[in-house]
Amino acid sequence: SQTIHQWPATLVQPVGSPLSLECTVEGTSNPNLYWYRQAAGRGLQLLFYSIGIDQISSEVPQNLSASRPQDRQFILSSKKLLLSDSGFYLCAWSPRTEYGYTFGSGTRLTVV
Amino acid sequence: GENVEQHPSTLSVQEGDSAVIKCTYSDSASNYFPWYKQELGKRPQLIIDIRSNVGEKKDQRIAVTLNKTAKHFSLHITETQPEDSAVYFCATSFGNEKLTFGTGTRLTIIP
Repeated sequence: SQTIHQWPATLVQPVGSPLSLECTVEGTSNPNLYWYRQAAGRGLQLLFYSIGIDQISSEVPQNLSASRPQDRQFILSSKKLLLSDSGFYLCAWSPRTEYGYTFGSGTRLTVV
Repeated sequence: GENVEQHPSTLSVQEGDSAVIKCTYSDSASNYFPWYKQELGKRPQLIIDIRSNVGEKKDQRIAVTLNKTAKHFSLHITETQPEDSAVYFCATSFGNEKLTFGTGTRLTIIP
C-alpha cells in the first residue's frame, strides 16, 4: 500500500532563516505531488504541484520554491522566511492514472 | 482557472439532525468532486467523492449529489453525531491533476 511521509511535524524558525520541508511517497511510482499551505482557520492554498521530476508548476509567486530531486520526493524551500510564511504546510500525492488525493500529516511552521 | 465557492462557512446542527453543505464551481470541464474532512490540527481526509457520470453517491450516513447542469454539488450528513464536528472542504478537478478547494465549512454538532 502507498504511504506518504512528511517532516518535520513542527518547526519554529526566526525571520530571515532558511527552510526545507521534505515529503516522500512510498509504494507507488511517478506520482503527482503537491504542496499546500493553510493559514490558521483558513482554506487550502496550492503552492506547487509536480507531474514529473522536471515538471514543477508554481501557483503563487512568493519567496518559496519547490524541487523534486527523485521521483517520489518533493521538497519545499525558502532562502529567507517571512512572518507571513507561518502556517500549516501539507504535502499531498495523487496517482498518475487514477483519482485520489492523499495528504501527509503536515508541518506546522511558526516564524518568529 | 477554476473557482469553487462553498456555503455556509459555519454550520451548527443539533445531534441527530441532518447537515447540508453546498459548493458551486465555474469550470464545466471539471469531472471529479471529492469532499474532505479536517479535524482540528490534523490532515484533511477524503470522506466521499463523485465523478461526473454519476448524480449521487451514498456511504452510510454520508451522501454527495452532483448537478452538472447547474454546476453545483452538495454533501449531506444524516443522523449527525458529535464526531462529525470538523471542517469540511469540497474540491474539484479535471482528471487526476490538481484539486481546487472550497473555502471550508466549520460544522459543529450540538449535543
